[in-house]
Amino acid sequence: DSGVTQTPKHLITATGQRVTLRCSPRSGDLSVYWYQQSLDQGLQFLIQYYNGEERAKGNILERFSAQQFPDLHSELNLSSLELGDSALYFCASSPREGGYTEAFFGQGTRLTVV
Amino acid sequence: GENVEQHPSTLSVQEGDSAVIKCTYSDSASNYFPWYKQELGKGPQLIIDIRSNVGEKKDQRIAVTLNKTAKHFSLHITETQPEDSAVYFCAASISDYKLSFGAGTTVTVRA
Repeated sequence: DSGVTQTPKHLITATGQRVTLRCSPRSGDLSVYWYQQSLDQGLQFLIQYYNGEERAKGNILERFSAQQFPDLHSELNLSSLELGDSALYFCASSPREGGYTEAFFGQGTRLTVV
Repeated sequence: GENVEQHPSTLSVQEGDSAVIKCTYSDSASNYFPWYKQELGKGPQLIIDIRSNVGEKKDQRIAVTLNKTAKHFSLHITETQPEDSAVYFCAASISDYKLSFGAGTTVTVRA
């Protein structure tokens, strides 16, 4: 158990809908990262938050947004969902903002868009 | 941005033999190279990492080597066991921890 909690574990929704994925980082970790894992794209970095502020952006679509709350949990919002958004979404956390710091991954949320 | 290539995509080894996975990266500024193991239904788990000021690092049956000049790094697993069967990912980062992952290697250890 990495200490990173993601909910829900599975989510099935229809195209055009909006969903929210939740992540609770390890106790004491200030950085939260979101990754998307799909069969054709592999593991892709989406976005990083550090202590409530956005720090780095990767290949995140405009239909997607995230935030980190004062209690350090994070939410990833996916809207106007398309079939191609079906993937595993992982959250990871680390103690510092970046640099040589082990990131601990949650077990992921499997999103299926039908 | 950083591009990480990983080979082979699948690897089948006899229990007790060694497994080697190789990765190359494109951005010479990358300075942190972790390896993750992902078992079915779980998130990636860090198994070993290396920083650019080190050429080799070992942890029991696992070792990683880094050649900064050639921009490639490798994972070596010795005396493989059935529990080593998993998908292994290499990654590279330029300190800001925006990890760029390789495509993964599915390792199967045959008993």
